[in-house]
Amino acid sequence: GQNIDQPTEMTATEGAIVQINCTYQTSGFNGLFWYQQHAGEAPTFLSYNVLDGLEEKGRFSSFLSRSKGYSYLLLKELQMKDSASYLCAVRDHNTDKLIFGTGTRLQVFP
Amino acid sequence: DGGITQSPKYLFRKEGQNVTLSCEQNLNHDAMYWYRQDPGQGLRLIYYSQIVNDFQKGDIAEGYSVSREKKESFPLTVTSAQKNPTAFYLCASSILAGPTDTQYFGPGTRLTVL
Repeated sequence: GQNIDQPTEMTATEGAIVQINCTYQTSGFNGLFWYQQHAGEAPTFLSYNVLDGLEEKGRFSSFLSRSKGYSYLLLKELQMKDSASYLCAVRDHNTDKLIFGTGTRLQVFP
Repeated sequence: DGGITQSPKYLFRKEGQNVTLSCEQNLNHDAMYWYRQDPGQGLRLIYYSQIVNDFQKGDIAEGYSVSREKKESFPLTVTSAQKNPTAFYLCASSILAGPTDTQYFGPGTRLTVL
């Protein structure tokens, strides 16, 4: 079966660092995506991991461990505009479809 | 400006009426997708198309229909057979056979059935 788990909500303070975790079980793995979605808007692409390790893009980094079925998104120097939902999605190797988690709603406070 | 457009942003319909949601892209992407988003649930795939004149059912295709007559366009019809049509509908597109095949999303249409 396919299953993706991520926390429902998280809070953090402006300027801080926050880590959003994602665990997954799929019959075949072919990459993991992170998207950011502000309320009422479309998801926007943040990062892609297919090999183990850390991918860094400015204030955002994403990590993958395929053996553990685990990823995290790390947001540094948090800003108020980072308040959004963060969606973890895994591409299934067998079907090529994206399977989405329910998303983690992050609230950044001053 | 390249991108994906969906119209309208908000749509209201009476129960029992069919409604068609528009999705257009000028990114020259091969594949297009329709997802539905409900509160507390992840995005769920309704239909997808990898080539003109061909499309496949996703995980929740019942009550929906699509067409792909042009590469740029992938309209979704929500029929009266769909039991709970009120939702946020997102269209996406991607290049096939690229290094990541990242899906890029349109702005979405919020459909409310009264």
